[in-house]
Amino acid sequence: SQQGEEDPQALSIQEGENATMNCSYKTSINNLQWYRQNSGRGLVHLILIRSNEREKHSGRLRVTLDTSKKSSSLLITASRAADTASYFCATDAGRDDKIIFGKGTRLHILP
Amino acid sequence: AAGVIQSPRHLIKEKRETATLKCYPIPRHDTVYWYQQGPGQDPQFLISFYEKMQSDKGSIPDRFSAQQFSDYHSELNMSSLELGDSALYFCASSYSGAPKNIQYFGAGTRLSVL
Repeated sequence: SQQGEEDPQALSIQEGENATMNCSYKTSINNLQWYRQNSGRGLVHLILIRSNEREKHSGRLRVTLDTSKKSSSLLITASRAADTASYFCATDAGRDDKIIFGKGTRLHILP
Repeated sequence: AAGVIQSPRHLIKEKRETATLKCYPIPRHDTVYWYQQGPGQDPQFLISFYEKMQSDKGSIPDRFSAQQFSDYHSELNMSSLELGDSALYFCASSYSGAPKNIQYFGAGTRLSVL
């Protein structure tokens, strides 16, 4: 089954630094999404990148997608304490299809 | 803007009891998804409904059942609860007419089985 694998599993950086998280998946996809989850809370959609797109920006977020390597990266620039959360990539193969979440990266921003 | 509403937020049950979780999707959303997230785990897809019909099934135990009603709200029924069922249960909704399959998640129901 297609499943994202995030790397690293946990990341601690100083406030103001950039944070990069990677995701790999196994099968062909239509879209790849990144979600954020604060501890014990619901998931919040951050950004979606289609399979025919290579890069997308949204505020301090930059997502890249390499379908040949079946991988994606999420870059958060100028990190803030409020960015502390778990970040999941999720893939889907169809418009109404379920999305499959990766294992997630726990990001901790140090003050 | 209205979001996905889940109730209850917290639920404590004994082993072998039953539990019912409710989900109210965003107005006009016609698709509902249920996920289970164990401690430190990624969300696992359980089941989804589109226009009141089951559209996809994931790793949902036979002890669990779900349905979507005419007002599009959904209920997840869990019977013969086991300790391992303790988890966060998320509901998400989406609109099939939207160009992107973005799912909007509720805050979740935390189920503790004692």
